[in-house]
Amino acid sequence: DTGVSQDPRHKITKRGQNVTFRCDPISEHNRLYWYRQTLGQGPEFLTYFQNEAQLEKSRLLSDRFSAERPKGSFSTLEIQRTEQGDSAMYLCASRRTGAYEQYFGPGTRLTVT
Amino acid sequence: QQQVKQSPQSLIVQKGGISIINCAYENTAFDYFPWYQQFPGKGPALLIAIRPDVSEKKEGRFTISFNKSAKQFSLHIMDSQPGDSATYFCAAVRGGGADGLTFGKGTHLIIQP
Repeated sequence: DTGVSQDPRHKITKRGQNVTFRCDPISEHNRLYWYRQTLGQGPEFLTYFQNEAQLEKSRLLSDRFSAERPKGSFSTLEIQRTEQGDSAMYLCASRRTGAYEQYFGPGTRLTVT
Repeated sequence: QQQVKQSPQSLIVQKGGISIINCAYENTAFDYFPWYQQFPGKGPALLIAIRPDVSEKKEGRFTISFNKSAKQFSLHIMDSQPGDSATYFCAAVRGGGADGLTFGKGTHLIIQP
């Protein structure tokens, strides 16, 4: 199995710009999760998908954030009108139905200047 | 409300010693308790996990002890090595592992040679 991959690994953007991140889960993993991790903290859950259906969204996911998984494979996370407080590591994880384990990708480090 | 409390925040252990990290949870609906290891700039890597129907699980030098009545669990790293120096996160999840993980704030472990 290849692991979870994320692109880009680093993104620097100016406040007010839109950014989009991509996550490719482990093949045959139909659950896909997005988390945000700020410096010195544990990851915080944002949202997750079962195939193409978005099943849960955290209250952390403001209306500037949107996530999609149109064909039940890769997923995108878009942040509109970025703010400095959005600076964080955005992590993606995937899980196979029936298993407990979630496997994380390397993350996308976002810096908003 | 922090649902998973982790301690200590940082820990220094001599090479060959035992590293112990503790976590306590509040939500009795949690039914899966993983530990993740994270190196700087990398995504969390699943280390070991336990379900509440057992009190201990051992994999190599890593052991989880679980106390359901006290709602506490801990990670023990035996024969700690400098390569174990990393940040460790405990986590918990409900719903058979289907939901998003709730993480502790992490423990920064340094193993001194």
